[in-house]
Amino acid sequence: EAGVAQSPRYKIIEKRQSVAFWCNPISGHATLYWYQQILGQGPKLLIQFQNNGVVDDSQLPKDRFSAERLKGVDSTLKIQPAKLEDSAVYLCASSFGGAQNTEAFFGQGTRLTVV
Amino acid sequence: AQSVAQPEDQVNVAEGNPLTVKCTYSVSGNPYLFWYVQYPNRGLQFLLKYITGDNLVKGSYGFEAEFNKSQTSFHLKKPSALVSDSALYFCAVRDSGNTPLVFGKGTRLSVIA
Repeated sequence: EAGVAQSPRYKIIEKRQSVAFWCNPISGHATLYWYQQILGQGPKLLIQFQNNGVVDDSQLPKDRFSAERLKGVDSTLKIQPAKLEDSAVYLCASSFGGAQNTEAFFGQGTRLTVV
Repeated sequence: AQSVAQPEDQVNVAEGNPLTVKCTYSVSGNPYLFWYVQYPNRGLQFLLKYITGDNLVKGSYGFEAEFNKSQTSFHLKKPSALVSDSALYFCAVRDSGNTPLVFGKGTRLSVIA
């Protein structure tokens, strides 16, 4: 079974530039998550989709971050404009259902460096 | 709001010895608890979870975790550590409501040959 695919693996941009990350979840997984993991910290949820609808985006900085999941499959996370503090690993995860007792499966992540 | 504490930044253990990685949690309702492992330049891998039932949960790679409701703990254990177990371990919790999964800051496990 193929895992969660993310691209690119690494990205370096200057502050105030824009960047986009792509995620393809495990086939059949209805729930998709984007997490931000800053060095030395645990992952923090940015947004959760159930199919193509948003379930939770309470921690997404909406003035600069946006995400979409058209057709309820793959997803894109965008940052515009980027700030230095956005340097982090962005992890995409998916799960079969949205139930609270369901584990999520993670991709390898995209390491973003903002200079 | 729910929270997770992993009190140790680093745990060192000799190969073949038992290991414990500590986790305590706080939730308003019934907890759903998870352990994940992260190897360098890799995503998080699911190890095990506690939903309900037996307090001792067995997971991947010989790991197990013990749920203790009175101490609000969910410590990760393994009877005999391997060098290949060296990695970053994350405990996570959510409650039964519509709340996101909250992760601890992680504990780096180093198994020395």
